Amino acid sequence: EAQVTQNPRYLITVTGKKLTVTCSQNMNHEYMSWYRQDPGLGLRQIYYSMNVEVTDKGDVPEGYKVSRKEKRNFPLILESPSPNQTSLYFCASRPGRNTGELFFGEGSRLTVL
Amino acid sequence: GEDVEQSLFLSVREGDSSVINCTYTDSSSTYLYWYKQEPGAGLQLLTYIFSNMDMKQDQRLTVLLNKKDKHLSLRIADTQTGDSAIYFCAESRAGGGNKLTFGTGTQLKVEL
Repeated sequence: EAQVTQNPRYLITVTGKKLTVTCSQNMNHEYMSWYRQDPGLGLRQIYYSMNVEVTDKGDVPEGYKVSRKEKRNFPLILESPSPNQTSLYFCASRPGRNTGELFFGEGSRLTVL
Repeated sequence: GEDVEQSLFLSVREGDSSVINCTYTDSSSTYLYWYKQEPGAGLQLLTYIFSNMDMKQDQRLTVLLNKKDKHLSLRIADTQTGDSAIYFCAESRAGGGNKLTFGTGTQLKVEL
């Protein structure tokens, strides 16, 4: 089944404890992206990647890192999480760098205490 | 500005039509999208319209685009309880990987 898989789906952590949210797609998509969803703000793009080893900042990249060592994986790294990073995170992918439908994962709800 | 705006809530009775509105600011938008988010799930693409079109119909869904006013709407005919969800409009802009900019989302509640 074609899908975008995120892990973990739910996580409660404490300020400063490094964490990684993994994202994997099995559709051989070139483009991958991370969004955060907050009430009243919709989805805001954190980082995106147009291909392996190519990543760029989105609208709200501060406090986050990403890597794209393989085509299928695009992990989101929070080196030192803070409470303002408490949010619902979505990974998404699409076939082409500039075109095609965006497919979303089911989301990862992160709480930073 | 880069804002895509939607009203936060809409409540309709089952069987009525729902109209969800969206305004955007970037006149260079190429495609405009409607996504649906059901509880506990990611976003799913419902429909989209190219910026040189005025209207697109797909079964119970009708998308209207007023490019002059930068206004997009989604009409759902014969709304069902299964249509209860959050609906996001999004615009695609050239450059930067054809980034999608999402609206704030409209929570649609369908009452019996």
